[in-house]
Amino acid sequence: EPEVTQTPSHQVTQMGQEVILRCVPISNHLYFYWYRQILGQKVEFLVSFYNNEISEKSEIFDDQFSVERPDGSNFTLKIRSTKLEDSAMYFCASSGTSGRTGELFFGEGSRLTVL
Amino acid sequence: AQSVTQLGSHVSVSEGALVLLRCNYSSSVPPYLFWYVQYPNQGLQLLLKYTSAATLVKGINGFEAEFKKSETSFHLTKPSAHMSDAAEYFCAVSDGNTDKLIFGTGTRLQVFP
Repeated sequence: EPEVTQTPSHQVTQMGQEVILRCVPISNHLYFYWYRQILGQKVEFLVSFYNNEISEKSEIFDDQFSVERPDGSNFTLKIRSTKLEDSAMYFCASSGTSGRTGELFFGEGSRLTVL
Repeated sequence: AQSVTQLGSHVSVSEGALVLLRCNYSSSVPPYLFWYVQYPNQGLQLLLKYTSAATLVKGINGFEAEFKKSETSFHLTKPSAHMSDAAEYFCAVSDGNTDKLIFGTGTRLQVFP
């Protein structure tokens, strides 16, 4: 069964360092998303991406964050200079149709710990 | 603004007992509502969704949910819990106009033998 894969499963980094989280969406999907969950809190929308551009982003997704689909298969989330409060589980998701009424397929998540 | 509230961060039931996980929503427009499940060390998986068709929605693994506009609720139920149902369950809402899902804080279901 097709699935969304994310790497790394867990990354520990020092505050101020750059981090790249990688995702391989399901191959024929067109819509891509990043969500995050700070421990004990809600799963929060970060950004959606379609047709090689951001379609929507939340207030959390500030200039420190960027997304890219560099090679037609990977979908990456970059945090330029990590802060302690960026520690969270980051989920990638993809959809074959717009997520509005369709199903989002989520990866297992990448846990980021910022020290 | 849309939101969902999940009452009870932890729910424990015996195997074979009724499962009831509560979700209330707030939306200024007719909502689209979803239940996702997360098994240990896995991603979020869609259980079922309501998108303005039948108010009683059946999902995978014997779960169902009923949309009640008068109560602004979308509670998840299963008549008979199984050990394999132990997981975290998330209710989510969208307004149908954007890709963004608004999630609740989740309810961890424990099933005892």
